[in-house]
Amino acid sequence: NAGVTQTPKFQVLKTGQSMTLQCAQDMNHNSMYWYRQDPGMGLRLIYYSASEGTTDKGEVPNGYNVSRLNKREFSLRLESAAPSQTSVYFCASRPWTSGSTDTQYFGPGTRLTVL
Amino acid sequence: LAKTTQPISMDSYEGQEVNITCSHNNIATNDYITWYQQFPSQGPRFIIQGYKTKVTNEVASLFIPADRKSSTLSLPRVSLSDTAVYYCLVGDAQAAGNKLTFGGGTRVLVKP
Repeated sequence: NAGVTQTPKFQVLKTGQSMTLQCAQDMNHNSMYWYRQDPGMGLRLIYYSASEGTTDKGEVPNGYNVSRLNKREFSLRLESAAPSQTSVYFCASRPWTSGSTDTQYFGPGTRLTVL
Repeated sequence: LAKTTQPISMDSYEGQEVNITCSHNNIATNDYITWYQQFPSQGPRFIIQGYKTKVTNEVASLFIPADRKSSTLSLPRVSLSDTAVYYCLVGDAQAAGNKLTFGGGTRVLVKP
């Protein structure tokens, strides 16, 4: 049981390049999330998927797109990377069943640098 | 989403109890209070969650007064490995999206 896995661990891009960050969870969780964390700051929600087949914007969605490929996988795409997107990106998942209170489980993060 | 305010940093020594208070004056009826811990270069990890009164688990205790406008995370007998950033979050833990708003967190430094 690997939990939440993210690939790649590190990435360097040039301005204007595109890339997709991958996230997968093997806990059969319904909800998945993408956050970014800038140095010395808290996490900010980019997009989330409450359940398979749905996605919604979070606090900072501009410049990103997401795909909930299936129940296990939730990818984040940068179409045209900008230096302002240099950050650490965390994926998280949550069991979520109606009426329950549960919490999010986070992956190890992807460190992205845009030159 | 309710905004939270917590101290920027705290120092402590091994074996002491650490108490971190978080203010959330506009907490809503459906909101729960959740604390996460984050070590450098790692994702946040759930510590404890509560709605009212006191909650205790093997790691920490969470004290919530009747008005729920603040909460206190208590870490008993800290060790060097408890050095981390601690985040207080308030939100509807039962909501489908359960969007979490992370503030700046409290950096706890445990000294020998």
